Amino acid sequence: QQQVKQSPQSLIVQKGGIPIINCAYENTAFDYFPWYQQFPGKGPALLIAIRPDVSEKKEGRFTISFNKSAKQFSLHIMDSQPGDSATYFCAAVVFSGGYNKLIFGAGTRLAVHP
Amino acid sequence: DVKVTQSSRYLVKRTGEKVFLECVQDMDHENMFWYRQDPGLGLRLIYFSYDVKMKEKGDIPEGYSVSREKKERFSLILESASTNQTSMYLCAIDQGGDTEAFFGQGTRLTVV
Repeated sequence: QQQVKQSPQSLIVQKGGIPIINCAYENTAFDYFPWYQQFPGKGPALLIAIRPDVSEKKEGRFTISFNKSAKQFSLHIMDSQPGDSATYFCAAVVFSGGYNKLIFGAGTRLAVHP
Repeated sequence: DVKVTQSSRYLVKRTGEKVFLECVQDMDHENMFWYRQDPGLGLRLIYFSYDVKMKEKGDIPEGYSVSREKKERFSLILESASTNQTSMYLCAIDQGGDTEAFFGQGTRLTVV
């Protein structure tokens, strides 16, 4: 049973396009929503994150939109580049004492063609 | 630069073997995690540790155990490897709260 549902599974866009990756969750106890980017042969690395009291966050070409009432959030990549080709994971975090529990989505493999 | 180092990039083991995956961090972080990554399933938590000698089960602990004798080192143990444990294994560290989780480069384990 997946607590964080991510779609699409894969995505192909042309350079300059705006890929959008969507995630949905059920558990209202989640405190924090990070996105991780993973290149082949590497571990995931934090890309951008948002708290549930904020509706949008931008960092460079990456934007998270967050809809608390719908329990959905999404990643937009503006002016996508071939170097953005990677697997993207959304996650939801429950703070539990001094440690976090991260629940990851299934991942989206993005290919940006030149 | 944060370093989370996993001892092997690739491993091939036989069914029934005891397998040790090692993870070492240089950040003095309290929390260490083991995940497995499978296509279409994302990352799933196997075990985590929030202090030396402390461990907690994650979502899929069956067939695995862990050991944390020193703060910087967290080991994942497959007591008797099976083919359904063929996967990518990722170690991660964090400090709790809204802090970043740092991942190792992963160990791709094949059990034949």
